[in-house]
Amino acid sequence: ETGVTQTPRHLVMGMTNKKSLKCEQHLGHNAMYWYKQSAKKPLELMFVYNFKEQTENNSVPSRFSPECPNSSHLFLHLHTLQPEDSALYLCASSQVPGLAGKETQYFGPGTRLLVL
Amino acid sequence: GNSVTQMEGPVTLSEEAFLTINCTYTATGYPSLFWYVQYPGEGLQLLLKATKADDKGSNKGFEATYRKETTSFHLEKGSVQVSDSAVYFCALLIQGAQKLVFGQGTRLTINP
Repeated sequence: ETGVTQTPRHLVMGMTNKKSLKCEQHLGHNAMYWYKQSAKKPLELMFVYNFKEQTENNSVPSRFSPECPNSSHLFLHLHTLQPEDSALYLCASSQVPGLAGKETQYFGPGTRLLVL
Repeated sequence: GNSVTQMEGPVTLSEEAFLTINCTYTATGYPSLFWYVQYPGEGLQLLLKATKADDKGSNKGFEATYRKETTSFHLEKGSVQVSDSAVYFCALLIQGAQKLVFGQGTRLTINP
């Protein structure tokens, strides 16, 4: 499945570093999402973009900064992260959020982040 | 509120055994229901879905029926294979909303 790609697949960073995660979808979808998957916790929605506009921020700390330059690309800029931010970050896309039959979300492989 | 509860794992079965992973939900609106699967080291893959009551989703030998009366969406497979070993997530999406609500996941291990 190569509909949603994410780079890098693995990332190790120090607490003072700045890095970015990239997501690209090749499905012609209009909505993109960032999720966080931590050990022993349910998947957490972080951000939603619909037609390039941010429509949801799920109380995410400002050290995570999303960017959506177009409907196919989504970035997550990281700065001054904490060790507890170590997790698998998953990107997803859907055709139209919340519309029956078009709301199915398709996920990328994730970026496994380790903050030292 | 909206929530999903899955059976506690891990679940360990022998090859060719029958599988059931229970999933129940609470929802304030009319949810669509999903099963996603996560193989080791990978992201989530959509396994199947159902968008209204009594719909049956099916894929790769897996099935789940949307039961509104029991607010359930149990995952079943008649004969599991070693390659089915993964973590399975039940999820709901309220129509008109953007947020998938996931269960905690059930780890399945199939032994040869």
